Amino acid sequence: AQSVTQLDSQVPVFEEAPVELRCNYSSSVSVYLFWYVQYPNQGLQLLLKYLSGSTLVKGINGFEAEFNKSQTSFHLRKPSVHISDTAEYFCAVSRLTGSYQLTFGKGTKLSVIP
Amino acid sequence: DVKVTQSSRYLVKRTGEKVFLECVQDMDHENMFWYRQDPGLGLRLIYFSYDVKMKEKGDIPEGYSVSREKKERFSLILESASTNQTSMYLCASINRAGWPYEQYFGPGTRLTVT
Repeated sequence: AQSVTQLDSQVPVFEEAPVELRCNYSSSVSVYLFWYVQYPNQGLQLLLKYLSGSTLVKGINGFEAEFNKSQTSFHLRKPSVHISDTAEYFCAVSRLTGSYQLTFGKGTKLSVIP
Repeated sequence: DVKVTQSSRYLVKRTGEKVFLECVQDMDHENMFWYRQDPGLGLRLIYFSYDVKMKEKGDIPEGYSVSREKKERFSLILESASTNQTSMYLCASINRAGWPYEQYFGPGTRLTVT
């Protein structure tokens, strides 16, 4: 079984400051890794994913994440946040084969302060 | 554009009522999923389906059932609604041939059971 831990439930940050949202996972097998964003009153939208290859992956809206296998982490970063980045962010994992289920973390609410 | 639609954005039901939540996707996806989302708990998988008339239990199936009579439609059924089923319900679908690409999410149904 897999599990995902998002270390911060809420992250306040000033506009134009950098931000890092932390995600650690646990799995006995190799996994795919995802970050999703949920804007208020909307469904989830994929930000980025790690499948294989380069450990630094770039996503939409200027976000990027780095896969660290030894630390089993997949932290999300943005060098300069905007008010419109205020949302809830979810880290998720999936096994490489078998079912297509995602296991989600509990989410991190990012609040950008003007 | 992939579209996943859910029949209601907001729903209020009484304890003991039978409740149907409908999800429709327009991209001929094989796999469909029902999650519930609660503050501080993230998304938890209730049921999923990998083909018409096929279903599998997720992590929290108790109190729920599902129906998939047509490929595009996946229904979540609360046989006898209870107040602890007050939650946000999200439907998702994937194109199995496109895995491990993203799951597409609907906008969610916020269900209140009084």
